[in-house]
Amino acid sequence: DAKTTQPPSMDCAEGRAANLPCNHSTISGNEYVYWYRQIHSQGPQYIIHGLKNNETNEMASLIITEDRKSSTLILPHATLRDTAVYYCIVRVANSNSGYALNFGKGTSLLVTP
Amino acid sequence: ETGVTQSPTHLIKTRGQQVTLRCSSQSGHNTVSWYQQALGQGPQFIFQYYREEENGRGNFPPRFSGLQFPNYSSELNVNALELDDSALYLCASSPRDSRLYGYTFGSGTRLTVV
Repeated sequence: DAKTTQPPSMDCAEGRAANLPCNHSTISGNEYVYWYRQIHSQGPQYIIHGLKNNETNEMASLIITEDRKSSTLILPHATLRDTAVYYCIVRVANSNSGYALNFGKGTSLLVTP
Repeated sequence: ETGVTQSPTHLIKTRGQQVTLRCSSQSGHNTVSWYQQALGQGPQFIFQYYREEENGRGNFPPRFSGLQFPNYSSELNVNALELDDSALYLCASSPRDSRLYGYTFGSGTRLTVV
């Protein structure tokens, strides 16, 4: 199973872009990179995912390097409500063709006024 | 479109007891997964259900078991509760080919074992 490495914590000023890095050097060709976030005491919230192309949606952008060994989640204009733990997940196949999410410890992002 | 709902929201049980947690999946989702999240840790995969059968299991003992019903709702059962079972239990649902979609998580059940 491919593992991910994220910094334990980051700070970002409100209104600025938050760039959250993730290393996944052992990712295989058919594994997707997913990003979720978890605000205190709530369930994780899906943000975005990608295979090898850069992706953008209403919440964020995902930049995946050409060798797929790392990615960056970009929140273009961070707000106080973006304070949360952000998880970078490489989705693995478990037995019988199901798919599990391997959460690590994530990055705790603090957005400050 | 309703999201994933879990019940109860909070629960206190005594060591050695049994507990059942419930989850209603999001409309249109036929796959349900359960996760355990200890304080300060990321969620850990317990198992996944599809078409009422277990479709994959994480590193949890057999006293963790589950069910999925024809309407795709699900239960997580834990027997012989231990103090270390105290955690937030999360249910997530998805369409079968979840590579194309994200998983939708519920808000969880906070279980305290005393």
